[in-house]
Amino acid sequence: GENVGLHLPTLSVQEGDNSIINCAYSNSASDYFIWYKQESGKGPQFIIDIRSNMDKRQGQRVTVLLNKTVKHLSLQIAATQPGDSAVYFCAENGGNTGKLIFGQGTTLQVKP
Amino acid sequence: GAVVSQHPSWVICKSGTSVKIECRSLDFQATTMFWYRQFPKQSLMLMATSNEGSKATYEQGVEKDKFLINHASLTLSTLTVTSAHPEDSSFYICSARHTGQGQNTQYFGPGTRLTVL
Repeated sequence: GENVGLHLPTLSVQEGDNSIINCAYSNSASDYFIWYKQESGKGPQFIIDIRSNMDKRQGQRVTVLLNKTVKHLSLQIAATQPGDSAVYFCAENGGNTGKLIFGQGTTLQVKP
Repeated sequence: GAVVSQHPSWVICKSGTSVKIECRSLDFQATTMFWYRQFPKQSLMLMATSNEGSKATYEQGVEKDKFLINHASLTLSTLTVTSAHPEDSSFYICSARHTGQGQNTQYFGPGTRLTVL
């Protein structure tokens, strides 16, 4: 069945270090992936997306890597800041169904 | 750009009453909006897909007569929780799909916290 999951439920990093959040997906038909950040009591905020014809995409302090061979997605955050503390969700489009399938989420804790 | 608003941000109501939540795309038009429900420390659960000018498509297990969805314009979708009960208490989040300028991304509203007494 369809599954978008994360390898670690909680990630704790030191301020200034780089963070890597991982995500596994099982629907090989998915061709569009998004990372969202959700702070407590707020809606998910779009961070970065990537299409399946790419394996890397960079934004401001964030990089998304896609490995279609092993169905793995990761979000790298450079120089992690306290404001990056949140829950991060990966989502896939399940083969252009129009819907998004969300992973369970990883809590990122940034230690000062 | 790509801002989605929700109103109200929180609501407390008595059991048996109905509550309407509005979702608006402020700077783009959205023929498709989505309604999610989220319990504490859990992921988002898709409830239904709201299509402008047509009936909503509900996910399996979601009662369409309890969660009424209306998508009357390209910038507004509403979710009405009818005859709310305490088990309906949750965080309701909408999203709007932005397909302009080659995009196909869902942008989320800030959510509505519903508490049913």
